[in-house]
Amino acid sequence: QKEVEQNSGPLSVPEGAIASLNCTYSDRVSQSFFWYRQYSGKSPELIMSIYSNGDKEDGRFTAQLNKASQYVSLLIRDSQPSDSATYLCAVMGSSNTGKLIFGQGTTLQVKP
Amino acid sequence: NAGVMQNPRHLVRRRGQEARLRCSPMKGHSHVYWYRQLPEEGLKFMVYLQKENIIDESGMPKERFSAEFPKEGPSILRIQQVVRGDSAAYFCASSRWGDEQYFGPGTRLTVT
Repeated sequence: QKEVEQNSGPLSVPEGAIASLNCTYSDRVSQSFFWYRQYSGKSPELIMSIYSNGDKEDGRFTAQLNKASQYVSLLIRDSQPSDSATYLCAVMGSSNTGKLIFGQGTTLQVKP
Repeated sequence: NAGVMQNPRHLVRRRGQEARLRCSPMKGHSHVYWYRQLPEEGLKFMVYLQKENIIDESGMPKERFSAEFPKEGPSILRIQQVVRGDSAAYFCASSRWGDEQYFGPGTRLTVT
């Protein structure tokens, strides 16, 4: 079992729709969770961090965390073609040394 | 406010040569991390450093790879006697408190 799992996609949504990206993790004691966006050939860009159960909203993005079920999700409202990218879920290891464990990423395609 | 800086952006080395990758963290950040992204693979943690200290090197290959973050100057990731399998994108990230990590543009290493 991989430590952080994501569906590789591609996930295709029409412009203006809600895109839902999911991630599960195996280390039950993980405390810190992050979503990054990576355009092809570019570096990862931090979108959201979440540390507590529940929802955290920032503009068109909402991160959701459920520690009991060990999953994290990212919702993108009013999806735009510029949101087309690979979205990486990252979990900070239980030792909290700063090591981020990344999923393989989900490719999102937003069609005009 | 400058972001994380990395140089060179592209580096070509012949097998057996040495590669030196540099990273300057964001202003005010004292935590530096190195990650590697192999073609068609996810981001993998290599090493976590603070000034003059290696905090976690659990992701570093045992041979040929070393990293440092001296009191003055950038962090250096050094790869000795490079092989074709070292060809990858190497990303540096920094954080202020050891939580949210911000990535630099990366160094694309090609070994011929």
